[in-house]
Amino acid sequence: ETGVTQTPRHLVMGMTNKKSLKCEQHLGHNAMYWYKQSAKKPLELMFVYSLEERVENNSVPSRFSPECPNSSHLFLHLHTLQPEDSALYLCASSQDGGTVYGYTFGSGTRLTVV
Amino acid sequence: AQTVTQSQPEMSVQEAETVTLSCTYDTSESDYYLFWYKQPPSRQMILVIRQEAYKQQNATENRFSVNFQKAAKSFSLKISDSQLGDAAMYFCAYRGLIYSGAGSYQLTFGKGTKLSVIP
Repeated sequence: ETGVTQTPRHLVMGMTNKKSLKCEQHLGHNAMYWYKQSAKKPLELMFVYSLEERVENNSVPSRFSPECPNSSHLFLHLHTLQPEDSALYLCASSQDGGTVYGYTFGSGTRLTVV
Repeated sequence: AQTVTQSQPEMSVQEAETVTLSCTYDTSESDYYLFWYKQPPSRQMILVIRQEAYKQQNATENRFSVNFQKAAKSFSLKISDSQLGDAAMYFCAYRGLIYSGAGSYQLTFGKGTKLSVIP
């Protein structure tokens, strides 16, 4: 366990469902990230929260909605997803942009959209 | 925009031997950071080694070392005395100084290289 905890570990949802992914860190980091990892593709940065302020990636569909209620918690709310959204969703955190220690990642949520 | 290319989708190495994973990147920045991450089947991305572009000396962490060629924009990872536990996906990542807002910076990843270790 690296200090970044993601739940659930696996999630299967229908296209009409609404679900949320949760990420929690108690490392004292000031930035948190959502990445999407699909097979044979580079990790795609979805959202960044730094000092609880969102830096938005404009290419992310609106069916993904992040929430950062405080510096230790990050959520990704999902609704009306498509099968191509099936992927591993990784949460990460960093201090000072990750220059010294890089990012600390969680173990991810494996999402399957049916 | 920065891009990171890992040209070897898969590689294998005999246990106790040495293997080198390649990574090239494209950037117009003069100062940046480079990382190698390891992702075992447990899915957790683990930082293996980092390199600061303004440092000419290649980074080393135990059995892991890099060959950083700034002019060629190349950042290869050498694993010496390979062990079974080294089997994993390895990702090269670039962190520039482009400010993404509120003190954050983007970490750009390559597609990864799957390393198998043969007993």
